[in-house]
Amino acid sequence: AQSVAQPEDQVNVAEGNPLTVKCTYSVSGNPYLFWYVQYPNRGLQFLLKYITGDNLVKGSYGFEAEFNKSQTSFHLKKPSALVSDSALYFCAVRNSGYALNFGKGTSLLVTP
Amino acid sequence: DSGVTQTPKHLITATGQRVTLRCSPRSGDLSVYWYQQSLDQGLQFLIQYYNGEERAKGNILERFSAQQFPDLHSELNLSSLELGDSALYFCASSVAPGGAETQYFGPGTRLLVL
Repeated sequence: AQSVAQPEDQVNVAEGNPLTVKCTYSVSGNPYLFWYVQYPNRGLQFLLKYITGDNLVKGSYGFEAEFNKSQTSFHLKKPSALVSDSALYFCAVRNSGYALNFGKGTSLLVTP
Repeated sequence: DSGVTQTPKHLITATGQRVTLRCSPRSGDLSVYWYQQSLDQGLQFLIQYYNGEERAKGNILERFSAQQFPDLHSELNLSSLELGDSALYFCASSVAPGGAETQYFGPGTRLLVL
C-alpha cells in the first residue's frame, strides 16, 4: 500500500531561519507526492506536488520540496521561516485509486 | 479560497440522528472526494465520485453514504450517528481522477455528535 510517514509531531524554528518538515514514503512504482498546509479552522491548502522530473519542486508561499528516491523522502523546505508559516503540514501520496493517503501531520511553530 | 464550497460549516446533532453534508466542487472539476479528519484517526479517505459515478471507497462506514448529482455537487449522508463520528469532514475536487491531478479542498464541515 502507498503510505507516507511524518516522523516529527512538531517542529520549532525561529523566524528567519530555514525550516524543514520531513516526510518519507513507501510506495510501489513511481510516487505522486503532495504537501498541504492547514491553518486553524481552515481547510487544507495545496502547496506543491512531485509527479516526475526535477527533484526540486517549487510551490506556493516560498516553499519547496526535495524528492530523494534513494532515501524515499520528500522533505518540505523554506529558506527563511515566517511567523505566519505556523500551521499544520501534511504530506500525502496518491494511492492506486487516486485518493490521497495522508501522514499524521507535523505542527510547525515559528517563533519571533 | 480553493473554489470548493461546503455547507454547513458547523453541525451539532444527537446520537442516532442523520445529517447531510453538501459540497460544490470547483468550476470544471468532475471528481469529488470526501475525507474525514479526527484526532485519533487523522485524515482518512472516505469515498470518491467522478462525473456522477462512484470510483473508489476508502474507510467509509456502512452507515455513511454519498452521491454526486448531475450538476456535480455531492452530498455525504451520515446516519445512526455515534459520538465517534464527531470530526471534520472535507470535500475535495479535481478536474479528473488521474494520478497527477491536484485535489483542492473545501473549508470543511465540523460535526459534533452529542
